Amino acid sequence: GENVGLHLPTLSVQEGDNSIINCAYSNSASDYFIWYKQESGKGPQFIIDIRSNMDKRQGQRVTVLLNKTVKHLSLQIAATQPGDSAVYFCAERGNQGGKLIFGQGTELSVKP
Amino acid sequence: DAMVIQNPRYQVTQFGKPVTLSCSQTLNHNVMYWYQQKSSQAPKLLFHYYDKDFNNEADTPDNFQSRRPNTSFCFLDIRSPGLGDAAMYLCATSRITGYGYTFGSGTRLTVV
Repeated sequence: GENVGLHLPTLSVQEGDNSIINCAYSNSASDYFIWYKQESGKGPQFIIDIRSNMDKRQGQRVTVLLNKTVKHLSLQIAATQPGDSAVYFCAERGNQGGKLIFGQGTELSVKP
Repeated sequence: DAMVIQNPRYQVTQFGKPVTLSCSQTLNHNVMYWYQQKSSQAPKLLFHYYDKDFNNEADTPDNFQSRRPNTSFCFLDIRSPGLGDAAMYLCATSRITGYGYTFGSGTRLTVV
């Protein structure tokens, strides 16, 4: 059968609350970071990105924070809705050919 | 709408029987990628094409091959699928390496 998958970190929030999803990236030379949302059975969907010369970027209901000192990325979702329930992945563009490398996902569950 | 299309959405193949997954794009992007995603794990890059230049990841098994006959199409060939190859296979495109990815919906491969 299939390989047993890893257990994803899970974040459970109440509808209307704010959510914060964290990610530790590996390469201090990475210059570009993206957050993706992946719903069950679908491909990753772009949410927001940030370049390494910035430490904060805001979108509609989402904010990405970058702390290069500790190689940490976070995604903040304001007023979380049931439709936000999904797995969220961070990805970094490294310096080895510039490919995107994905970090471990976090499963967000929104309770109505 | 311009997009990345993967066919089929679901593929069942027999152990050891060659299988081909397809990806097409209408974005006219230069780069096409294949990722493997196992249950509850992050997508893992197998290889990518920049135009006709093929770039294999160091840890991609020889069992996995790819073809890109033209800008629009890219194929993933699994020569002798094993049970451990059961996964979601994601195709993505970008204009330049590492920026502005567009993902397809994926093909879920089952090996019996």
